[in-house]
Amino acid sequence: GENVEQHPSTLSVQEGDSAVIKCTYSDSASNYFPWYKQELGKRPQLIIDIRSNVGEKKDQRIAVTLNKTAKHFSLHITETQPEDSAVYFCAATDTGRRALTFGSGTRLQVQP
Amino acid sequence: GAGVSQSPSNKVTEKGKDVELRCDPISGHTALYWYRQSLGQGLEFLIYFQGNSAPDKSGLPSDRFSAERTGGSVSTLTIQRTQQEDSAVYLCASSTSGRAEQYFGPGTRLTVT
Repeated sequence: GENVEQHPSTLSVQEGDSAVIKCTYSDSASNYFPWYKQELGKRPQLIIDIRSNVGEKKDQRIAVTLNKTAKHFSLHITETQPEDSAVYFCAATDTGRRALTFGSGTRLQVQP
Repeated sequence: GAGVSQSPSNKVTEKGKDVELRCDPISGHTALYWYRQSLGQGLEFLIYFQGNSAPDKSGLPSDRFSAERTGGSVSTLTIQRTQQEDSAVYLCASSTSGRAEQYFGPGTRLTVT
């Protein structure tokens, strides 16, 4: 089955800096890669996703890149703000199976 | 509109007892998923329902776990003879037909004492 590895496990940046979180996946059949943000005690929230037919997607300060050949994808947050502090999870699946396989999470702390 | 809802929000039970956790998906969403999140860990897939198709039960960790979905809407996850290692947050998600995006409920925090 699919295996998703995520790093770093913790990331501390200064407000205004950029943050990058990286994930690798094992199953070449995976074609859908969402990212979730989870604040303490809250539900995971979908913040951005990418499908295997594109290499990059951007939404304001957030972008995701996908390298299908290398089987890795990354989340980029620019101009970080304290409210970006949360745990971020990457995930992968193929849209036939649908069940998401999650990475272990990255705790992002943005220092004001 | 209303998001995914789950009840109860918290459940404390004694080892060996059975528990039922409920999920109400977003109205009109045909797909429903259950995941488990242990303390400080990522999410682990349990089971997936899509319309009237047979569910994908490949993530259920043991035969003590079961789930049903009645009328294509509400789902109940049942854990029989609970063990301490079952303590976790149980999250439900739903998605609409033909779309991959999954939207999560707030979860049920289960504590087995």
